[in-house]
Amino acid sequence: QKEVEQNSGPLSVPEGAIASLNCTYSDRVSQSFFWYRQYSGKSPELIMSIYSNGDKEDGRFTAQLNKASQYVSLLIRDSQPSDSATYLCAGRQGGSEKLVFGKGTKLTVNP
Amino acid sequence: DAGITQSPRYKITETGRQVTLMCHQTWSHSYMFWYRQDLGHGLRLIYYSAAADITDKGEVPDGYVVSRSKTENFPLTLESATRSQTSVYFCASSEGTGTGANVLTFGAGSRLTVL
Repeated sequence: QKEVEQNSGPLSVPEGAIASLNCTYSDRVSQSFFWYRQYSGKSPELIMSIYSNGDKEDGRFTAQLNKASQYVSLLIRDSQPSDSATYLCAGRQGGSEKLVFGKGTKLTVNP
Repeated sequence: DAGITQSPRYKITETGRQVTLMCHQTWSHSYMFWYRQDLGHGLRLIYYSAAADITDKGEVPDGYVVSRSKTENFPLTLESATRSQTSVYFCASSEGTGTGANVLTFGAGSRLTVL
């Protein structure tokens, strides 16, 4: 199993809908999880970090972590065309400062 | 300018040539990283550094060399470039401790083409 796996996508949602992005991780990844957004031709930028089980909300974004199921998700409410980007899930490799990334899910929000 | 800067932003070279990609950060972050990003593979870690003079391999280190003589600089050298090293290279840094631990901030990227 890859250390961090994401739905390959692409994912397409209408404007105003909820976009749901999912990520699973292996036993080699633990404790800290991150969602990065990457616009085409740009560098990744941090959207959310989550360290404990449950939900964490920041504006239209909600990150969810379920350590028992080794599952991380990102919900984007009221999706906007400006949310169209590739979303990268990342987790901390156990015992190190290294982050391992999933391959990313490309999201398109249609006006 | 504050932040993390990479140079050059674009580079075209030939097989067998040596290439150095530069990375400079102004935050005094302890940790610095080099990733490459390729279609179908996502971001893969090449090398990282915990402090000056401390470096370690990542997932795909072969063909690359790094050094970190100063905290703010972390150059990546391709000693003899190959076509398979055509990629977009991202440098990143993090505090390594406290609330900023593991939070990576990325440079703008360096797009390298090896002919």
